[in-house]
Amino acid sequence: NAGVTQTPKFQVLKTGQSMTLQCAQDMNHEYMSWYRQDPGMGLRLIHYSVGAGITDQGEVPNGYNVSRSTTEDFPLRLLSAAPSQTSVYFCASSYSAASYGYTFGSGTRLTVV
Amino acid sequence: AQSVTQLGSHVSVSEGALVLLRCNYSSSVPPYLFWYVQYPNQGLQLLLKYTSAATLVKGINGFEAEFKKSETSFHLTKPSAHMSDAAEYFCAVRLSGGSYIPTFGRGTSLIVHP
Repeated sequence: NAGVTQTPKFQVLKTGQSMTLQCAQDMNHEYMSWYRQDPGMGLRLIHYSVGAGITDQGEVPNGYNVSRSTTEDFPLRLLSAAPSQTSVYFCASSYSAASYGYTFGSGTRLTVV
Repeated sequence: AQSVTQLGSHVSVSEGALVLLRCNYSSSVPPYLFWYVQYPNQGLQLLLKYTSAATLVKGINGFEAEFKKSETSFHLTKPSAHMSDAAEYFCAVRLSGGSYIPTFGRGTSLIVHP
């Protein structure tokens, strides 16, 4: 089925470890974004991309890196995990036209101990 | 710049009662407006959207929303709540110019009592 696929669904990291959250979409969407969701904070934009090779920072980019080498993939890298990065992470994608809504992945629940 | 305000972090209704979730926006250009629903332990799903074709928009599961430019509002309603409507609801705005990155509201948790 067409959509946004995120892996893994759950992850536990130790402080200081690094990891990559994977995101792939098969809808040929130009726009892709990473959000984190924390209780009472809504969705906060981490990084986004408007096309292959183009990325930019969102509201809370510190401690995260992204790259977009293909239209389909948009991985999120945690450089040195901290307990403050414990959260649920969502990847989302959309066509560039503003009239389109976003398609979200099912999320990655990350715990940093 | 754009912003979205959802009034009430929690809304509680009885099964069969009217559901009203409030969303106000601000933007300098005509907006595109969206409502998303998030069921527990799932990602967000698009519920409905306003793209200027009609001010009253119908979505899935019996929900609808009305765009009121004079009030800068896009409230979500459903005539009769069902237990399965219990979820988190997010309002979002995308502008017709600029980076097209949406701005999301903080979300409203809908609680449905039997």
